[in-house]
Amino acid sequence: GAVVSQHPSRVICKSGTSVKIECRSLDFQATTMFWYRQFPKQSLMLMATSNEGSKATYEQGVEKDKFLINHASLTLSTLTVTSAHPEDSSFYICSARDPGSSYNSPLHFGNGTRLTVT
Amino acid sequence: DQQVKQNSPSLSVQEGRISILNCDYTNSMFDYFLWYKKYPAEGPTFLISISSIKDKNEDGRFTVFLNKSAKHLSLHIVPSQPGDSAVYFCAASERGFKTIFGAGTRLFVKA
Repeated sequence: GAVVSQHPSRVICKSGTSVKIECRSLDFQATTMFWYRQFPKQSLMLMATSNEGSKATYEQGVEKDKFLINHASLTLSTLTVTSAHPEDSSFYICSARDPGSSYNSPLHFGNGTRLTVT
Repeated sequence: DQQVKQNSPSLSVQEGRISILNCDYTNSMFDYFLWYKKYPAEGPTFLISISSIKDKNEDGRFTVFLNKSAKHLSLHIVPSQPGDSAVYFCAASERGFKTIFGAGTRLFVKA
């Protein structure tokens, strides 16, 4: 089945630094990837839709300059949290839908990245 | 505005009994509904789905029921097994666009 790999799984950084999270589709090409964020005991909140070769589409309330998304190839999307602050500490998860399947096919998720900003 | 709601944060069930997880939604344009299962420190994995043109979909021990008039769906697991203990997310999408998730229900299956 379709596999999405996310790296790193955990990262601790100091306030003010930037952190890059990578999301790769291992056995399929993904023209679109989705970045979610999950707060403790809360839902997965869609942050943005990453589009290969074009700009990402951000959800309302998500700062595009804060969360930089780059989808440079059909198998890689990156999320960079710039000038991180403690309130950015969260669980970030990427996902993709196998483009060969129907538009309603399930999303395949990476294992997530636990970001802690000190 | 929560478009997908899971009002029970947790559920505890005895092994062998039925687990029923509930989900409500507000957007009548949703046409596809899914259930995902999530273990700690892992991403969600797809469990079962249902199209809005159906009212039931079954896959082994898992059955999803959809009541469009009530904007309600439920996931039945029978018989429940200790390995089913996880967080279950209800999700919905409209014409394949962004998938909206509920807050999740943590299921505990006691041996």
